[in-house]
Amino acid sequence: DTGVSQDPRHKITKRGQNVTFRCDPISEHNRLYWYRQTLGQGPEFLTYFQNEAQLEKSRLLSDRFSAERPKGSFSTLEIQRTEQGDSAMYLCASSSGHRYGYTFGSGTRLTVV
Amino acid sequence: AQSVTQPDIHITVSEGASLELRCNYSYGATPYLFWYVQSPGQGLQLLLKYFSGDTLVQGIKGFEAEFKRSQSSFNLRKPSVHWSDAAEYFCAVGLSGTSYDKVIFGPGTSLSVIP
Repeated sequence: DTGVSQDPRHKITKRGQNVTFRCDPISEHNRLYWYRQTLGQGPEFLTYFQNEAQLEKSRLLSDRFSAERPKGSFSTLEIQRTEQGDSAMYLCASSSGHRYGYTFGSGTRLTVV
Repeated sequence: AQSVTQPDIHITVSEGASLELRCNYSYGATPYLFWYVQSPGQGLQLLLKYFSGDTLVQGIKGFEAEFKRSQSSFNLRKPSVHWSDAAEYFCAVGLSGTSYDKVIFGPGTSLSVIP
């Protein structure tokens, strides 16, 4: 078990470009979560998967954001037509049930210039 | 609406001194409660959790927290702080339902440790 892996660690993109992030959860965990964290703030919930089903999406997740978890394994988060306001740390976490707590990855830091 | 507040944005303590970080939550039922720690540029690490039973819970790195239902609080404590404890600390509330299962985080408390 190598923990939760996120790729890339850093991404700098020009405004208007599309970006995609990947998260590989702990293999035994059927739940996967995406959060967004801006400087000086706590993580904000974006979306949640149980196996391959996306069960909840935050209103923070505009139409430009989409997440998938094919086959209930890794997940991708895509942001289309990036805006400067999308600059943040994107955190992925996995769990076998939230009462057990989450295991977080190290995050992907996105900078939109 | 459910919420988590951490009244202290930043705290500075001397190494070896005791520490208490405050957390209050707003939720209709007894929630699952967590404390996480985040070092700069890193993800979050679970320190401890409460979901039932003994209201005083022990965690990793010598931390403990006490759930007080009457005060809707879940304060984090450590009897003697080490320089390596300098980090950002987040209190969190776990919510669950038939179609959702997520954790809401507080804004965080930044801890500085003076040698």
